[in-house]
Amino acid sequence: DVKVTQSSRYLVKRTGEKVFLECVQDMDHENMFWYRQDPGLGLRLIYFSYDVKMKEKGDIPEGYSVSREKKERFSLILESASTNQTSMYLCASSLGPSGNNEQFFGPGTRLTVL
Amino acid sequence: AQTVTQSQPEMSVQEAETVTLSCTYDTSESDYYLFWYKQPPSRQMILVIRQEAYKQQNATENRFSVNFQKAAKSFSLKISDSQLGDAAMYFCASTNTGNQFYFGTGTSLTVIP
Repeated sequence: DVKVTQSSRYLVKRTGEKVFLECVQDMDHENMFWYRQDPGLGLRLIYFSYDVKMKEKGDIPEGYSVSREKKERFSLILESASTNQTSMYLCASSLGPSGNNEQFFGPGTRLTVL
Repeated sequence: AQTVTQSQPEMSVQEAETVTLSCTYDTSESDYYLFWYKQPPSRQMILVIRQEAYKQQNATENRFSVNFQKAAKSFSLKISDSQLGDAAMYFCASTNTGNQFYFGTGTSLTVIP
């Protein structure tokens, strides 16, 4: 089974801190994704990557950056955390660009910015 | 871009009964894929069922089936013989390339014993 893991289930940070959220998948997937999930808004794509060192902006990239130095690891970075970035963050991966490939999700990181 | 709309924020169903969750989508692509995902409370999101738009036949996975109406751009999920473990948030999603999925806002399903 594909396993997608995220470094923390719960995280509390202060406004202005730099925050790193880590995601690792163990099935050699090409694609990796970062979403934020907010009540009533569903999942919104922040960034995705279809190859090592490649990244593409999603729908809400402002205030975030990403890093993919290795195929299995995709990091989300909040350069200067703000209270409006309090949210659930979900990482996902998929095999490749075919539309038929499902996304596999991690357990999520609930981030609170005080 | 594609848009996905789930108009039912909350639904409830009696155990052993059948419930249908609605989803509509909008895309200009001719080739696309549709998915239903389930997110149980405090657990990971998992795939329930998928449908290729070029296939006329509705997808079925055990107690889960879809009603895919391509002309109406509708993709509803039917859960038969509902069980307590079906209680979750359900998300409808679409993609054409597989590089970007578009998710609806979700429907929270409660199963009443």
